[in-house]
Amino acid sequence: EIFLTQSPGTLSLSPGERATLSCRASQTVVSDYLAWYQQKPGQAPRLLIYGASRRATAIPDRFSGSGSGTDFTLTISRLEPEDFAVYHCHQYGSLPFTFGPGTKVDIK
Amino acid sequence: QLQLQESGPGLVKPSETLSLTCSVSGGSISSNDYYWGWIRQPPGKGLEWIGSIYYSGSTYYTPSLKSRVTISVDMSKNQVSLRMNSVTAADTAVYYCASQRLLHQYDFWGQGTLVTVSS
Repeated sequence: EIFLTQSPGTLSLSPGERATLSCRASQTVVSDYLAWYQQKPGQAPRLLIYGASRRATAIPDRFSGSGSGTDFTLTISRLEPEDFAVYHCHQYGSLPFTFGPGTKVDIK
Repeated sequence: QLQLQESGPGLVKPSETLSLTCSVSGGSISSNDYYWGWIRQPPGKGLEWIGSIYYSGSTYYTPSLKSRVTISVDMSKNQVSLRMNSVTAADTAVYYCASQRLLHQYDFWGQGTLVTVSS
């Protein structure tokens, strides 16, 4: 089973700032099958990035994903008020599929 | 665009069976492109993959829950079901169903349903 760790646990930033979130896997993620989801309180997760770097439909280009192997990054270039949320990474390259514990981005 | 909606009892007693249904609209559950998954989230915690199913009946489960979980499809109703037996308080969570393109990322999610295990 591949374990995912996310850092930091909480990121306190101001609107307009750049957010850099990390997801590290305990083993190589096959074919870089790594996704990122955004989740707001009381809502279901929303797919942002898949295949490590591909934006999902209708996702603004301020969201970008990068990385390969065991180290992946989600970058939000300029935080908008609606971006303050929890972000989860998810590997689907190997069974069982697994999720990271999440990074909360809150307003400084 | 696919839409998914979970339904089922919000309260289940310990040792009993949790049963949830996911109704799919905007597409067919027998699509060649999609698997259908269940994911849960205990209050205040992260997401946990439970399992996924293809319309043909092929299933994949997370090892820690495999002995207690059954996922099935009903093509006549365009629904996916989850059954989990012998539940305990540790199974209290929001349960989500989601569409999984080609057993890859989860692109559409239901709103989730909270299931509390308590006597």
